Order: sequence, then structure tokens, then C-alpha cells
Amino acid sequence: EADIYQTPRYLVIGTGKKITLECSQTMGHDKMYWYQQDPGMELHLIHYSYGVNSTEKGDLSSESTVSRIRTEHFPLTLESARPSHTSQYLCASSESYFYNSPLHFGNGTRLTVT
Amino acid sequence: TQLLEQSPQFLSIQEGENLTVYCNSSSVFSSLQWYRQEPGEGPVLLVTVVTGGEVKKLKRLTFQFGDARKDSSLHITAAQPGDTGLYLCAGGSNTDKLIFGTGTRLQVFP
Repeated sequence: EADIYQTPRYLVIGTGKKITLECSQTMGHDKMYWYQQDPGMELHLIHYSYGVNSTEKGDLSSESTVSRIRTEHFPLTLESARPSHTSQYLCASSESYFYNSPLHFGNGTRLTVT
Repeated sequence: TQLLEQSPQFLSIQEGENLTVYCNSSSVFSSLQWYRQEPGEGPVLLVTVVTGGEVKKLKRLTFQFGDARKDSSLHITAAQPGDTGLYLCAGGSNTDKLIFGTGTRLQVFP
């Protein structure tokens, strides 16, 4: 049973549309992450957060933005979607900042921009 | 920049065969995590190793952290179709972000 939820699971939209990918966790974790993953490939960190009102950019440059108004909620927004944004987006959380702390992942949103 | 290279990139084997997946870096990591990701799902943690030379076993899976903490391996004995998936290693260091490896896609045929 998942403790971290992502919606929608699949999204097909046209170029130029604004979209928000939702991510919620029920574990009370302070640290949350967004990763971008092309099918069957490695994960690239695009955003992360230490807690409420904290957001940081990851290693991979992204045109998306994030917000963290509540501990449990970490949505990702694309103001104007383009075909190059087509990918899978994975949300994750971890219990602590300690480098051994495992990540708990959602099942992802597969985004296709036509 | 810390990088984790995994090999092989793809592996297709028959049920019952043994296999080893490697995770290598030129950098030292404080810990190494292994994840498995099945199609349509997010990665799930299998194990964390933290001590150089450490060996951990999880049923038919054996994980080893290199003595110098720059590499790790995952050995699967008598692979089963349920082992099919993408295997990802991830290194932790004194930064607050995990570095994920390039991934190994395993397909086990019945």
C-alpha cells in the first residue's frame, strides 16, 4: 500500500498547456523530491524541498516549478508544456536529511506532450 | 561531479541462471542503496550498505560494498521472472542528495 501518491498516472496534453502534477505523502516526511526519468533510464533530480516553504533546484535544469505550502503536498507545475517535457515524473520523500535515509517513491506520472 | 556507472546496461537471461550487476564510481560514497523498479511503478529500496566490504543477503540477492566504498555489486542466484525490472544503485555522501546510477534493465524469461 503506497504512502506517497501521485496524480494523474497518465497525462496527454497539447503544446502550450499549463499543467500541475500532484504529489502527496502521508508519512510526515520533511524532505521531498521530484525526479525525471525517461523510460527504463536513470533518474535525474529536478527539484527538492527540505520542508514547508523550502524549494531547491536539482541537478537537471528544468522549466518546471514547485511549491511546498504543506508538509504533505509537493506539486510540480509546467506553465507551458512542450514536447521536450514528455517523460515520466517521479515524486519521492525521505524521513531525514541523513545520506542513508531511503527514498519512498510514488508510482509516477507519465506525461506526453503532443 | 560524482557519477555511478552500472553494467551491464541490459541483461536478458533464462529462469534459473545466475547474474551479477555492477555499480562503479571513481568517487567514494558513505553508503550505497539498491532499488528495483518494476514497469509502471516507482523504485523500491532493496538494501543499504554502509561499511566497506559489507555483504548483505536478501533471499536470493547478495549485495556487496567494495572495500574502498567506490563500487558495489548485486548478485542474483537462480533468477526468476519476478526478478525482472530496472535495478538502480544510488550513492550517498556528505551532500544531502543521492546520486543515482545509470541503471541495469533485467529481463528473466521463464
